[in-house]
Amino acid sequence: GAVVSQHPSWVICKSGTSVKIECRSLDFQATTMFWYRQFPKQSLMLMATSNEGSKATYEQGVEKDKFLINHASLTLSTLTVTSAHPEDSSFYICSAIRTSGSNEQFFGPGTRLTVL
Amino acid sequence: GENVEQHPSTLSVQEGDSAVIKCTYSDSASNYFPWYKQELGKRPQLIIDIRSNVGEKKDQRIAVTLNKTAKHFSLHITETQPEDSAVYFCAARGSYQLTFGKGTKLSVIP
Repeated sequence: GAVVSQHPSWVICKSGTSVKIECRSLDFQATTMFWYRQFPKQSLMLMATSNEGSKATYEQGVEKDKFLINHASLTLSTLTVTSAHPEDSSFYICSAIRTSGSNEQFFGPGTRLTVL
Repeated sequence: GENVEQHPSTLSVQEGDSAVIKCTYSDSASNYFPWYKQELGKRPQLIIDIRSNVGEKKDQRIAVTLNKTAKHFSLHITETQPEDSAVYFCAARGSYQLTFGKGTKLSVIP
C-alpha cells in the first residue's frame, strides 16, 4: 500500500507555456502533500506544503504566483508551472502523508520538466 | 529552521566493505530521521528511519545510529554490494516537514 503516482512522468514545453503536474495518492487519503524540486546531482528542495482544502504554504524564495498548487481532494494535488522558462527545467517530486497513521512521506516517481 | 549537513558527498568502497555516511542537524526539536536511497531519475526510497527515543536501529545490512546530544546520526551499510550504488539522503523532521541533506553518492566497486 501507500502508492503515490505523478503525471506526466516527463514533459517538454516551449518557453512561456504553462504545465500542470498531478500528484495522486492511489490507495490512501493524504491531507498533506509536499512538492519538491531537484536539480541534477543535488538534493531535494521543498517548494511548498499542500493541505487539502486550504492554501499551500510556500517556502522562502518560491514564487507562489509562478508555482500554483491546488489540493482539491484528499487524493490529488496539482502543481502548475505558469509561464515556464528554461530555468524552470527540473525534476519535480511530490510526496504524501497518510491522513491517518505515521507521518512517513511516500514519494511519487517524479516529473521531468524540460522547457525549451 | 532546520539545517542538515551530510558527509561525505561521494564515497567509493570495495564490494564487501562497509560504508558509513554521517549527518548533523541543527534543530534540537527534530525527532524523526529517515534515510533515503535514490537511483538516477527515480523517486527516493525510504530504507531505514530512527526516532529520537531510540539510539540505534538495524535492518539486515543497514543500521542507523543517533546521538541526540551531539545532534548527529549515521547510516552504516555492511557487506556492500554493487546494487547498493546510489545516492543516499539523510533527512530530519521536527513537525512534519523534512529537511534533506545534500546527498552522498555511493559507488560500490565489484
